[in-house]
Parts: sequence; structure tokens; C-alpha cells
Amino acid sequence: NAGVTQTPKFQVLKTGQSMTLQCAQDMNHEYMSWYRQDPGMGLRLIHYSVGAGITDQGEVPNGYNVSRSTTEDFPLRLLSAAPSQTSVYFCASSKGGHGYTFGSGTRLTVV
Amino acid sequence: TQLLEQSPQFLSIQEGENLTVYCNSSSVFSSLQWYRQEPGEGPVLLVTVVTGGEVKKLKRLTFQFGDARKDSSLHITAAQTGDTGLYLCAGGDNDYKLSFGAGTTVTVRA
Repeated sequence: NAGVTQTPKFQVLKTGQSMTLQCAQDMNHEYMSWYRQDPGMGLRLIHYSVGAGITDQGEVPNGYNVSRSTTEDFPLRLLSAAPSQTSVYFCASSKGGHGYTFGSGTRLTVV
Repeated sequence: TQLLEQSPQFLSIQEGENLTVYCNSSSVFSSLQWYRQEPGEGPVLLVTVVTGGEVKKLKRLTFQFGDARKDSSLHITAAQTGDTGLYLCAGGDNDYKLSFGAGTTVTVRA
């Protein structure tokens, strides 16, 4: 089992560019979530999904889109990157009642 | 959003000493989880507690969930350098919408 795989590990974008952060899990977990981690602020929930075809907003959804066409994949799209979106992004999955399994993160810098 | 406050923010101790990290909220949680994160990696789940007053032990780590299910503590006995990391508590009513504390950075010196 690979667990939760995130790509890329590092990315630099120019303001206004768009991109997709990839997340895939091979554990057949129904729940998947995206968090961003900023110094001193902990992890903040961006979007989450409780199953294929079902997504909802978290605490800080503005500027991000998600979709969940399969159980395995949960990509996060940045529509028009802004410097405020410079952060470390984590994807996580869960089977319910067993806590999250996190990916190793994507470090994004927007210049 | 359910707010979780962790204290202290930073903790530096000598190898062999004990330490306690706290996680407090004004909200009641159906479950609370503790994670450890090392630099450049994602958080790794240590434990989930679900019952008020519950105490769980994981080798040298002891986790306690408050009777009112609003607070929790993590106690490490005889800390080792391998315990160094960022400790995060997370709470919620389900496993897809957790709220995280800002974390406690623990440094264990040799």
C-alpha cells in the first residue's frame, strides 16, 4: 500500500496562474480532505468529500475547487493563484472512526 | 469552526525528563485525536479517544480525554530524542471535518 500520494512535492507559481494539486489513496477510504498548514495557525480545512461525487466546503474554501469522480482521487484546483495561497497543502483520507492518513504534503510558493 | 487551543506552544526538555501537552476547547467533541508531525512530513496519527474520562497508553505516551469531552492531555514519560516533533490535537464529530490546534513543538535534547 502506498497510502496517500500527493504530487508535486514542491511548486512555484506566478500570481494569476492556475494549477492542480493531485491526491490519490489506495486504501479504499470513503472520506478525503484537503488542509493547508501555515506557521502558527495549525491545519485549516479547505474542502472535503464523504464519497465519490460528494464534496463540500471547509473553513477556508475561497480560491480553491475540488471534485471527486472516483474513490481514489481528490484533486485540488487553484483557480488564480495569489501570494496568500503560499502554504503547505496536505491531503488526508479516512475510513471513519480511525483517524486520518495524511500525504507528505505539497509546498506551494506563489510569487 | 470548533476552536482548539494547545499549550504550551514550545517545549524544550532534556532526554529522560517528563512532559505534558494540553489541548483545550469550549466545544464538546465526540472524539479527539493526537498526531505527531516531523519536519517535511505529514502528521501521523498517535491515538483517538472517544469516551469522556478515557485514558489510553501507548508505551511511554499517556493520553487522557476530559470527563466533559472538551479537553485532552498528552503525557510523555522519560522523553527520548525520537519524541521530538510537532504534536497536534484534532477534534470533531466526524472523520472528514476535523478542527486542529496550532500545535506544540517539542524538542528533546540529548
